[in-house]
Formats: sequence, C-alpha cells, structure tokens
Amino acid sequence: DTEVTQTPKHLVMGMTNKKSLKCEQHMGHRAMYWYKQKAKKPPELMFVYSYEKLSINESVPSRFSPECPNSSLLNLHLHALQPEDSALYLCASSQETSAQETQYFGPGTRLLVL
Amino acid sequence: GENVEQHPSTLSVQEGDSAVIKCTYSDSASNYFPWYKQELGKRPQLIIDIRSNVGEKKDQRIAVTLNKTAKHFSLHITETQPEDSAVYFCAGNFGNEKLTFGTGTRLTIIP
Repeated sequence: DTEVTQTPKHLVMGMTNKKSLKCEQHMGHRAMYWYKQKAKKPPELMFVYSYEKLSINESVPSRFSPECPNSSLLNLHLHALQPEDSALYLCASSQETSAQETQYFGPGTRLLVL
Repeated sequence: GENVEQHPSTLSVQEGDSAVIKCTYSDSASNYFPWYKQELGKRPQLIIDIRSNVGEKKDQRIAVTLNKTAKHFSLHITETQPEDSAVYFCAGNFGNEKLTFGTGTRLTIIP
C-alpha cells in the first residue's frame, strides 16, 4: 500500500459541532503531518508527528486538536470552529522527519464551517 | 526565516511547447527541493525532486535544475500536453522537519 488515505472526503459542520478527521498510511512511515490549504494558496503546515509524538505545532488554535493513536493513524479533532476554518485539510506522511524525506499527501478533507 | 519565491504565478503555454517555472530561496541550508503538481480538487502529488548534490535531474518530459550558488531551482516541462494543466508548487526543506512551499504557478496548456 503506497497511499495515504483520509476520511471523510467532505464535511459540513456548525460552529458548535465536534467532529474528527482521520488519516491512515501503511507505508511504515514514522512522520505524519496535518496541513491546511485555502483556495489558490500553498499547503500551510499545522502539526508534525514524529514516532507518534507531537514535534511541531505551528501555533494552531486549540480548537484543532491532533492525535496520533499509533504509527499508522493520525486524527484531527475539531471543536467550536469558525467559518474562516473552512479549507482543504491535507494529511501527509514521510519515512522520517529528516530534511531530505519526501512527503506523500492524502486526498484531503474539504471542510465547510457554517 | 525561510522564504521561497515562485514565478510566474500563472503561465499559459501552447500544447507541445515547453514550460518553465522558477523558484528562489533565501536560506542556503536547504538540501532537498521537491516539486508538487496539484490538479483541481486533488491532492498535491510529487512529480520530481532534487537533492543538493546534483545540479539537474530528468524524468521523461520533466526536468529540474538547481543552482545552489544563485539559490534558485527551476522546473522544465517539455512537449506539454493538456493533462499538464494544474497548479505546480516548488518547495524546500531547510534543515528541519518542515517543507516551505512556493506560492504556486497555475499552468494552462492551450490545445
């Protein structure tokens, strides 16, 4: 399996809802990432996990809560989001977090916050 | 901090002609430069990458050149086809766990 998968593909939620995004990879990668991408912009890094431990949090608001239950899974828990949080949320993985490792992206979850 | 500038922001090319996208960076610590292609509504997909120990890499119609002294790298697509239409992002990994992306180039191939 050489793919990163994400569920759901689309998500619509109200500002008072709690939802979760899921990401899975079976490539044996030990680094996993969450990105946020707005229309016509590059992906913007949110979190990095290395060996199931959070190594980078790019000053993301606490209404976004990441979780890495095991080396293959990455979740992003969402609570009390704002309309400006509507975006494409991309998961990625790489063998390690070292400087020359290729990152492979999942298809993303398109989130709309009403 | 790290910064990657990408030009042009939009590029229209006649089918069969070549397309060139350029990126410059400010931090000399980067050793790895991937290029991603993102079609509308799809994930970014790695199309080619180059590491600092080489100056050029080619894969069929796609090539990347790197000039570390001048701190710039370029994507070259030859014999362009309609399916090459997409947004292309350059990126650099500046010695840490993060990829810094360029602002993107929307490439349109005119049939």
